[in-house]
Amino acid sequence: GAVVSQHPSWVICKSGTSVKIECRSLDFQATTMFWYRQFPKQSLMLMATSNEGSKATYEQGVEKDKFLINHASLTLSTLTVTSAHPEDSSFYICSAKYRNEQYFGPGTRLTVT
Amino acid sequence: GENVEQHPSTLSVQEGDSAVIKCTYSDSASNYFPWYKQELGKRPQLIIDIRSNVGEKKDQRIAVTLNKTAKHFSLHITETQPEDSAVYFCAANNYGQNFVFGPGTRLSVLP
Repeated sequence: GAVVSQHPSWVICKSGTSVKIECRSLDFQATTMFWYRQFPKQSLMLMATSNEGSKATYEQGVEKDKFLINHASLTLSTLTVTSAHPEDSSFYICSAKYRNEQYFGPGTRLTVT
Repeated sequence: GENVEQHPSTLSVQEGDSAVIKCTYSDSASNYFPWYKQELGKRPQLIIDIRSNVGEKKDQRIAVTLNKTAKHFSLHITETQPEDSAVYFCAANNYGQNFVFGPGTRLSVLP
């Protein structure tokens, strides 16, 4: 149990375009999901906390207008990187809370050319 | 807020030796301490966790110890194998609050 999926697993996009990443809890309901960003050889950096039915809470320094988060249901949260630039290239990982444990999605590798 | 430090940042051991990774936390209210293993390009996987009412927990070759007074906890891996090579993250959390992760330790097990 407690499986989190993420789609797509990798994506390449052109500078200036937008990319949407989906995070789903497959066998449980997640009122809270988290979005992380991970640069090579670095730790997980929390970007925002996504709450079902309400606005996401963004960490300091994360642009809410650039990283749009929508938690439309108890099993789905989406992260949209708007007007992507090469510096947005990174590994994006979501996670969901289940019984106070965090379960991670497989991650999405975004490359902006 | 909570702050988690982790040492060492890199660790190399010979196959069969033990590896120890230490973390310290700042918020005395934290009561849950998980450890995650992340292989290259993959998701972090929970490998063991400990709650504040327990001082030690063991699962085969992996053990975690917690010292609440000193606010530190450690991961112990015995009889290391090449497949233990990965990045290990500790985390601390107070139930219902966000998890705060340490910066990670890159463990290399040399054959």
